[in-house]
Amino acid sequence: NAGVTQTPKFRVLKTGQSMTLLCAQDMNHEYMYWYRQDPGMGLRLIHYSVGEGTTAKGEVPDGYNVSRLKKQNFLLGLESAAPSQTSVYFCASRPPRGSYEQYFGPGTRLTVT
Amino acid sequence: RKEVEQDPGPFNVPEGATVAFNCTYSNSASQSFFWYRQDCRKEPKLLMSVYSSGNEDGRFTAQLNRASQYISLLIRDSKLSDSATYLCAVNSRGGGGNKLTFGTGTQLKVEL
Repeated sequence: NAGVTQTPKFRVLKTGQSMTLLCAQDMNHEYMYWYRQDPGMGLRLIHYSVGEGTTAKGEVPDGYNVSRLKKQNFLLGLESAAPSQTSVYFCASRPPRGSYEQYFGPGTRLTVT
Repeated sequence: RKEVEQDPGPFNVPEGATVAFNCTYSNSASQSFFWYRQDCRKEPKLLMSVYSSGNEDGRFTAQLNRASQYISLLIRDSKLSDSATYLCAVNSRGGGGNKLTFGTGTQLKVEL
């Protein structure tokens, strides 16, 4: 049981390049989330999904797109990377019932030059 | 006013000391509360949930004060290994998704 995994762990992009971050969970969780974490800003929600085939905007969705084609995977896309998107990206998941606690992946450290 | 606020610290304490952090929240409809621990360059990990009656897990005690809208975390007999950033998280319904809003974290440094 790997929990929540993220790939890649590190990436450097040039401005204007695109990339996709992959989040996978093997806990059969319905809810999945993408956050970014910046110094002094805390964790900010980018997009989330309440189930396969559904996505919704969070607090800071601009410049990002997501897809949830399979229950276990949640993809975060950057179509045209900007230096302002330099951050650490965390994925999280949780089951639909019971406690609302979320379980986090190890993060992706992205630098846009 | 931010939805969830924490004193960023750092709190520098000697080993064996007792230290307490508070976290205030603005939404009176908030229902679930958590403390997470985050080590440097690592992901947040759930430390404990915060129940209305308060709860304790070893050296850690969490409490909720709904009237004043804050949660607290007390760490007794601090260890060097407790050095980390402690994030509070508050769940609110509405808009679907039952999202968690996180504070920016309080940094704790336990010293010899």
